[in-house]
Amino acid sequence: KAGVTQTPRYLIKTRGQQVTLSCSPISGHRSVSWYQQTPGQGLQFLFEYFSETQRNKGNFPGRFSGRQFSNSRSEMNVSTLELGDSALYLCASSADLDTEAFFGQGTRLTVV
Amino acid sequence: GQNIDQPTEMTATEGAIVQINCTYQTSGFNGLFWYQQHAGEAPTFLSYNVLDGLEEKGRFSSFLSRSKGYSYLLLKELQMKDSASYLCAVRVGNTPLVFGKGTRLSVIA
Repeated sequence: KAGVTQTPRYLIKTRGQQVTLSCSPISGHRSVSWYQQTPGQGLQFLFEYFSETQRNKGNFPGRFSGRQFSNSRSEMNVSTLELGDSALYLCASSADLDTEAFFGQGTRLTVV
Repeated sequence: GQNIDQPTEMTATEGAIVQINCTYQTSGFNGLFWYQQHAGEAPTFLSYNVLDGLEEKGRFSSFLSRSKGYSYLLLKELQMKDSASYLCAVRVGNTPLVFGKGTRLSVIA
């Protein structure tokens, strides 16, 4: 079956702009988690959605938001982009939190 | 909060055995995961430990001691393709995984 799909793979944006990233989980998976990965900080948890509800949220400013649709696809949005938002954004899907998480290839965001 | 520590970098020789350690300080521990991540690729699942002891899966094994807040990933018969980052992640209660910063392993001939 198809894996986790993230689009786009690469993105270049200017400071102050906003961006929307998309994640399609594995069919049947209802939990989608988002992580930011940078060389200095590793993977940092952003938020997790389950059945269209945000269940958990990491320590990121309100500029970072997300949502999940009824088909379990998820989007995350970053408004008023800053240079420090440049990172690899990874999406992970799982049947639920107590099962293995599968990662997508990520979206590489560069803010200039 | 949670604190997860693992070495930043390690180097080992092809054919050898390497042990990557991970220590954690959490409350409400509910499992430890190891992931492998090649440069530019997504992390892929290697192992899961929730009870004390050793889990073996082919060339890879993972050990957990909950009382010591300690885990290790053991890689045997190292191959060049094992050069990657290895991520230790802890689940606390019913929350998503908290990751360490990863250990970059270089396998040399």
